[in-house]
Amino acid sequence: TQLLEQSPQFLSIQEGENLTVYCNSSSVFSSLQWYRQEPGEGPVLLVTVVTGGEVKKLKRLTFQFGDARKDSSLHITAAQPGDTGLYLCAGEWGLGNMLTFGGGTRLMVKP
Amino acid sequence: NAGVMQNPRHLVRRRGQEARLRCSPMKGHSHVYWYRQLPEEGLKFMVYLQKENIIDESGMPKERFSAEFPKEGPSILRIQQVVRGDSAAYFCASSPPTVPVGYTFGSGTRLTVV
Repeated sequence: TQLLEQSPQFLSIQEGENLTVYCNSSSVFSSLQWYRQEPGEGPVLLVTVVTGGEVKKLKRLTFQFGDARKDSSLHITAAQPGDTGLYLCAGEWGLGNMLTFGGGTRLMVKP
Repeated sequence: NAGVMQNPRHLVRRRGQEARLRCSPMKGHSHVYWYRQLPEEGLKFMVYLQKENIIDESGMPKERFSAEFPKEGPSILRIQQVVRGDSAAYFCASSPPTVPVGYTFGSGTRLTVV
């Protein structure tokens, strides 16, 4: 069984602060994805990373895939209240196989 | 979440009844996945299907749960003789059969067993 550990589980910060969320595994994944989920809705894909060392940017969000493809991080710069939500990392191995999700990081950004 | 349609959004069942959850994948997506989410927890994989085939059901409880994805029509997750512990949000996702481009999730079905 592939396991993904996310940290921290909860994060409450003030608007304008920076934060980093981590996702770690003992397994090598073919790809790793980050999702954001709002209450009452399904997860929405933010980014997919497939190459070790890869860095992707999405506005104020920076995603990095570890060189060994076992870990990833999500960094948010100048957080805004609209960033509030549950952030989930998910690992995939092989093509078309199921995703294993981390436990999530619940972020609250206070105005 | 436009594209993956799940219904119903909310479902209330009494203990012992059957629950049927439906999922229509995005157009062009031939892979369907079902996940369960308990309050304040992450998503747990249940089953992965392609048309008329169950590819991986390692996350499905051995009893009372079944899933299908027929040649025509939506994928169905069926829970027989529901118990209170089945209360959860059930999400369906779909993906194309090509390179890992990520999954598209539906809005989920919230099952409450009373």
